[in-house]
Amino acid sequence: AQSVTQPDIHITVSEGASLELRCNYSYGATPYLFWYVQSPGQGLQLLLKYFSGDTLVQGIKGFEAEFKRSQSSFNLRKPSVHWSDAAEYFCAASRRGTGFQKLVFGTGTRLLVSP
Amino acid sequence: EAGVTQSPTHLIKTRGQQATLRCSPISGHTSVYWYQQALGLGLQFLLWYDEGEERNRGNFPPRFSGRQFPNYSSELNVNALELEDSALYLCASRNPYRGGGYTFGSGTRLTVV
Repeated sequence: AQSVTQPDIHITVSEGASLELRCNYSYGATPYLFWYVQSPGQGLQLLLKYFSGDTLVQGIKGFEAEFKRSQSSFNLRKPSVHWSDAAEYFCAASRRGTGFQKLVFGTGTRLLVSP
Repeated sequence: EAGVTQSPTHLIKTRGQQATLRCSPISGHTSVYWYQQALGLGLQFLLWYDEGEERNRGNFPPRFSGRQFPNYSSELNVNALELEDSALYLCASRNPYRGGGYTFGSGTRLTVV
């Protein structure tokens, strides 16, 4: 079955420090991959997506993610975290192609930023 | 370009009542997806509508239903509300013929008391 795993439930990072959030997927073929961010009580905002091509993807708010086929991973990174980055982050995947492609989410990682 | 809009923002209902949630997709997007985000259960796929038809549903009982209108907006109805239906309901739209990304609305917070 298709699945997305985010092994870290919570992560605490000091403001200004670097960040890496882990994501692994299990699909028969390489899926489309996404990272979303959710602030408390809000909807989901797309940070970045990987469809094909360059394995290092740049997103909004200074985030980037690296696709590694050999590790079935799509980890999210930011070189310097700001207090406003505190939120919940979801990795998601869907099969390639048009038509119905259900978006499968990981369980999320809550990022706490300490001063 | 307007994003995905959902209404109402908050909804409080009594157990046994019916709730109606609404979603307007991005212009040009014909597919609407509904997700439920309940505390401790993560984001669960509910329903997919495309071109006015229900195309797929997740593992939810039939009292979760909806429809899609000719302008591609969608309505989610939850009948015979139960306390565990309390959740954030998120709508996303996507152009199914071009593949790719899903854009989410800000959600409707449904509270069942």
